[in-house]
Amino acid sequence: DTGVSQDPRHKITKRGQNVTFRCDPISEHNRLYWYRQTLGQGPEFLTYFQNEAQLEKSRLLSDRFSAERPKGSFSTLEIQRTEQGDSAMYLCASSFTLSTTDTQYFGPGTRLTVL
Amino acid sequence: DQQVKQNSPSLSVQEGRISILNCDYTNSMFDYFLWYKKYPAEGPTFLISISSIKDKNEDGRFTVFLNKSAKHLSLHIVPSQPGDSAVYFCAASAATSGTYKYIFGTGTRLKVLA
Repeated sequence: DTGVSQDPRHKITKRGQNVTFRCDPISEHNRLYWYRQTLGQGPEFLTYFQNEAQLEKSRLLSDRFSAERPKGSFSTLEIQRTEQGDSAMYLCASSFTLSTTDTQYFGPGTRLTVL
Repeated sequence: DQQVKQNSPSLSVQEGRISILNCDYTNSMFDYFLWYKKYPAEGPTFLISISSIKDKNEDGRFTVFLNKSAKHLSLHIVPSQPGDSAVYFCAASAATSGTYKYIFGTGTRLKVLA
């Protein structure tokens, strides 16, 4: 099965450290999305790529966050100088868009805990 | 500003009966709606979707209804099974406005009792 994969599944870090997450989308999917989910909430959009171009970023994505998709395949999300408020589940999704009905398929997520 | 709302945090249903999960939205630009199911420690799993040009879409035990005038959608699960116990999220997007991000509700926890 070649669903969306994310690595690592869990990350515990100390405040002030940098962390990087990786997402591998379903092959041939041209769009890749990052969301963040906290307890009791639905996923919140962070950013998305079409191929290697980052087309939209949420205001939630502060300057400490950066995302890349250098070759239009896998993507990385880096958080610099982590804060306790960054603790959340980070979800990646991908889609193959032929029309406006863009169905996103999610990976298992990376659970970040900042101590 | 909660553009997508799921006002029932939880729902319990007997096995074999119908489960009805509701979702309201405020943005009239939304044109594509989806339901996802989520188990603990897993990512959301796509269940069913509906475009704003339709008012009903069915897939096996799952049916989604869209009432555009009321800005309301619902998910019907018939018959409900214990394996359906999970958190259900509705999501919406406004793709014809040029944005493909999803806006999610806060979820409804469904418990199907055997």
